[in-house]
Amino acid sequence: GENVEQHPSTLSVQEGDSAVIKCTYSDSASNYFPWYKQELGKGPQLIIDIRSNVGEKKDQRIAVTLNKTAKHFSLHITETQPEDSAVYFCAVLAAGNKLTFGGGTRVLVKP
Amino acid sequence: NAGVTQTPKFRVLKTGQSMTLLCAQDMNHEYMYWYRQDPGMGLRLIHYSVGEGTTAKGEVPDGYNVSRLKKQNFLLGLESAAPSQTSVYFCASTDWETQYFGPGTRLLVL
Repeated sequence: GENVEQHPSTLSVQEGDSAVIKCTYSDSASNYFPWYKQELGKGPQLIIDIRSNVGEKKDQRIAVTLNKTAKHFSLHITETQPEDSAVYFCAVLAAGNKLTFGGGTRVLVKP
Repeated sequence: NAGVTQTPKFRVLKTGQSMTLLCAQDMNHEYMYWYRQDPGMGLRLIHYSVGEGTTAKGEVPDGYNVSRLKKQNFLLGLESAAPSQTSVYFCASTDWETQYFGPGTRLLVL
């Protein structure tokens, strides 16, 4: 089955700096890559996604890049703010319309 | 439009007791999923359904059963709870790719 690895597991940044989280996957047939943000005590919420026919996608301060050849994709958060503090999960859509999740990255933005 | 709702929000069980977790969605989605989330392990798929009346096993199905008698509801059952089933359980639904998650059920098995 699909295997997704996510790094780093924790990330501490100063407010205003950028944060980058990387994920690698194993199944070259995968073609949908969402990122979820989970705040304390809540369920994961989709923040951005990318499909395999696109190399980069931006939405205000967040962006995702995809390298299908190398089988990795990354989340970039610019001008970080305290409300960006949360756990972020990457995921890959596998056969049978099932998502396989990375282990998560706990991001702490220090004011 | 409430999205995905889960009941209960929190439950404490004794080893060997049974319970059912309810997930409901009002988006007319075909696909529904049950995940468990443990510290440092991300989300792992327990069971899922591709439509009313269907169920299938995910990555960690042992000790759980599910039913999808109505399109909008997906039930997760624990017949004989074990301490290893202490976790946070999330339900999700989708019409194709993007999954929408409920707020979770925190379960403690003593």
